[in-house]
Amino acid sequence: EAGVAQSPRYKIIEKRQSVAFWCNPISGHATLYWYQQILGQGPKLLIQFQNNGVVDDSQLPKDRFSAERLKGVDSTLKIQPAKLEDSAVYLCASRRTRRDRGGSTEAFFGQGTRLTVV
Amino acid sequence: KNQVEQSPQSLIILEGKNCTLQCNYTVSPFSNLRWYKQDTGRGPVSLTIMTFSENTKSNGRYTATLDADTKQSSLHITASQLSDSASYICVVSVYGQNFVFGPGTRLSVLP
Repeated sequence: EAGVAQSPRYKIIEKRQSVAFWCNPISGHATLYWYQQILGQGPKLLIQFQNNGVVDDSQLPKDRFSAERLKGVDSTLKIQPAKLEDSAVYLCASRRTRRDRGGSTEAFFGQGTRLTVV
Repeated sequence: KNQVEQSPQSLIILEGKNCTLQCNYTVSPFSNLRWYKQDTGRGPVSLTIMTFSENTKSNGRYTATLDADTKQSSLHITASQLSDSASYICVVSVYGQNFVFGPGTRLSVLP
């Protein structure tokens, strides 16, 4: 089974520039997450999709961050304009179902995109 | 407030030694608890998942325990190897909602 694919692996941009990240989840996984992981910290949820609908974007800085999952498969995360504090690893994860009723539906993570804003 | 804490923040051990990582959580309603291993520059990879009724679960040299009464979990690594050097993240799933991530414990295994 192919894993979660993300691209690019690394990106360096200047502040105030724009950047976009791409994620291809595992086939058949309805739920897709974008996380921001600052160095030395655990991942922080930015947005969660169920198919092509947004379930939770409460921690997404909507003045500069946007995400979409138009056909319920691939997703893109965009930052415009970028700030120095956006430097982090952006992780995409997918799982088969949204609700975990005490079961073991696993979430699989991509390798992440490391963003450096200079 | 749903929160997950981990200790120690970092740990250095010699190859072949055992170690135990701790996780405390205040999450409600609790669904399950997972331990992930994250190598530098990689995404997290699941080691174990435990539900409310499970007290212990093993995955090779990794053994996780869960005390749902005290809301504590531990991850025990036996006979450590150099490849165990990584961050270990405790993640608690809120029933019907999302995950709450701990900050991770950075483990370094030295030869």
